[in-house]
Amino acid sequence: GAVVSQHPSRVICKSGTSVKIECRSLDFQATTMFWYRQFPKQSLMLMATSNEGSKATYEQGVEKDKFLINHASLTLSTLTVTSAHPEDSSFYICSAAPGAGEQYFGPGTRLTVT
Amino acid sequence: QKEVEQNSGPLSVPEGAIASLNCTYSDRGSQSFFWYRQYSGKSPELIMFIYSNGDKEDGRFTAQLNKASQYVSLLIRDSQPSDSATYLCAVRPVIRGNNRLAFGKGNQVVVIP
Repeated sequence: GAVVSQHPSRVICKSGTSVKIECRSLDFQATTMFWYRQFPKQSLMLMATSNEGSKATYEQGVEKDKFLINHASLTLSTLTVTSAHPEDSSFYICSAAPGAGEQYFGPGTRLTVT
Repeated sequence: QKEVEQNSGPLSVPEGAIASLNCTYSDRGSQSFFWYRQYSGKSPELIMFIYSNGDKEDGRFTAQLNKASQYVSLLIRDSQPSDSATYLCAVRPVIRGNNRLAFGKGNQVVVIP
């Protein structure tokens, strides 16, 4: 149980284009989903918290117009990186929480912007 | 003061030995504590959670919680090379009143065959 999928697992895009990443909880309903970013050899950085049907809460320093989050249902959240630039290249990981405790992570999406 | 602090690493242990990882947290009202394992290039995987003071054992892993001293630890018995990874301590602080977890920077463990 507690499986979270992410798609795509790896994406290469050109600078200036947008990329959408999907996160799904496969066997539970997630009251909250989270989006993280992790640069090589660095710790997880929380980007935003989203609850189904409401606007995401972004962490300080994360541009909400650049990183669009849509939490369409209790099992699906999407992150769109708009007008991507090489500095957006990173490992993007979502997690889903069935309640107020543990989070289960997706396998991550490695984004490379050329 | 950081919400969650972990010792600087890495921690090298010989195969078969016990690896001991410590974590302290600042929010005294925290109620939920988690250990995640992250292999290089992969996403974190939940391995233990603990809510009450004392020890909780699951296979070769034991989590220990001391709320009075605000620390939580993880012991890995009979360490195996496959345990070589970064271990993240996570705490659900009460202060912000949401489901967010505060993560430590992680402790790298290297098990030497």
